[in-house]
Order: sequence, then structure tokens, then C-alpha cells
Amino acid sequence: AQSVTQLGSHVSVSEGALVLLRCNYSSSVPPYLFWYVQYPNQGLQLLLKYTTGATLVKGINGFEAEFKKSETSFHLTKPSAHMSDAAEYFCAVSVTGANNLFFGTGTRLTVIP
Amino acid sequence: KAGVTQTPRYLIKTRGQQVTLSCSPISGHRSVSWYQQTPGQGLQFLFEYFSETQRNKGNFPGRFSGRQFSNSRSEMNVSTLELGDSALYLCASSSLTGAASEQYFGPGTRLTVT
Repeated sequence: AQSVTQLGSHVSVSEGALVLLRCNYSSSVPPYLFWYVQYPNQGLQLLLKYTTGATLVKGINGFEAEFKKSETSFHLTKPSAHMSDAAEYFCAVSVTGANNLFFGTGTRLTVIP
Repeated sequence: KAGVTQTPRYLIKTRGQQVTLSCSPISGHRSVSWYQQTPGQGLQFLFEYFSETQRNKGNFPGRFSGRQFSNSRSEMNVSTLELGDSALYLCASSSLTGAASEQYFGPGTRLTVT
């Protein structure tokens, strides 16, 4: 079985500060990992994904994530937070041959001016 | 290219009724997946359709069903609505099926059951 744990349901950072959102996964087979962002009253937007290959994945809006198999982690980072980054972020894992994503419980990011 | 569209955006139903939600995928996408989002349970996978066939199903009761048409548009139906079915229902489309496929989400249909 696969699962995702996001540490911290709420994270606050100052504008311009480093953003670090934590995600740990559990999977018996090599996982595919995703980060999605959800703005109020909207659907989810894909930020980045890890399938195979390079463990440092760059996504949209300056976000990146590093797959660390030894730590079963896939933390999301951004060097400098912007006000427009305030949203809810979801980490997700998929391992089967179909499009069923298992999501974490989400982290709400607040950016303080 | 137009994104994923879902209709209606908001819906209010009474307990015991049934409801049908619609999803139009991105042009050329053949896979449509449905998810339920609630404050208590978070985002949960309902089912996926690819080329009119259900590929995978989540852990939901049989009251939740879906189908896909030849033009890839999909509908999901919930019968005998319960208060706990109040949720945001999200549809996602993908050009392929498989764990590495990128899924593009629609804005969702917010269902309120009273």
C-alpha cells in the first residue's frame, strides 16, 4: 500500500524567505511523486513530478523538489516566497498502472508581507 | 487549448436524491479521473475511465458510479445522497493512463447535500 504524510498542516513564511514544505511517502515499490497547488475555489495545478532519473526536479513558479529514497521524502522548496505563493499544497504518490493518485492532507502556506 | 471543464460548478441537493456531474477533458485526452475532496477525508480517488472503460476504482460505495462517452466526456452519478456526500468533486484528465501521467484538474463541482 502507498501513502503520503505531509508534516505541518499550516506553514507561515515571510515574503522573500525560503519555503520548505515536507512530504514523506510510503511505498513498497518505486513511486511516482507529485506536488500540486490549489488556490481558493479552484482545482489543482501540477507544480512538478518525479518519475525516474534525476532526483532534483524543477517545476513551475520557481519550485523544486528532491527525491530522497533513503529518507522516503520528497520535500518541496522555493528559495524566495512571493505573496502569490499563498495557497494549499498537496503531495501525491502513484504506483499502479492507472491514474489513481494518493494525496497527503495538504499544507496551507501563508506568506507574510 | 481549453482546460478541463466541469458542470455545474455548484449544486444543492436534498438527502435521498441523486445527482449527475459532468466533466469535459482537455481536447485529445482520453483518461478522466474523479476525486472527492472533503475537509475531513481530504482528496480521495473515486475512479478512472480510459477509452470508455473503467480502469480503476477507489474505495467508495456502489452509490458512486461513472461512465465515459466516446468523445471522452465523463459523468459521475451519486444515488441516494447522504449528508456526508457534501464535497468538492474534482475531475482530472490525462492524455495517457499510467502512474507517470500528468493529470490536469478542473475547477470542481461543489455539491451540498441538505
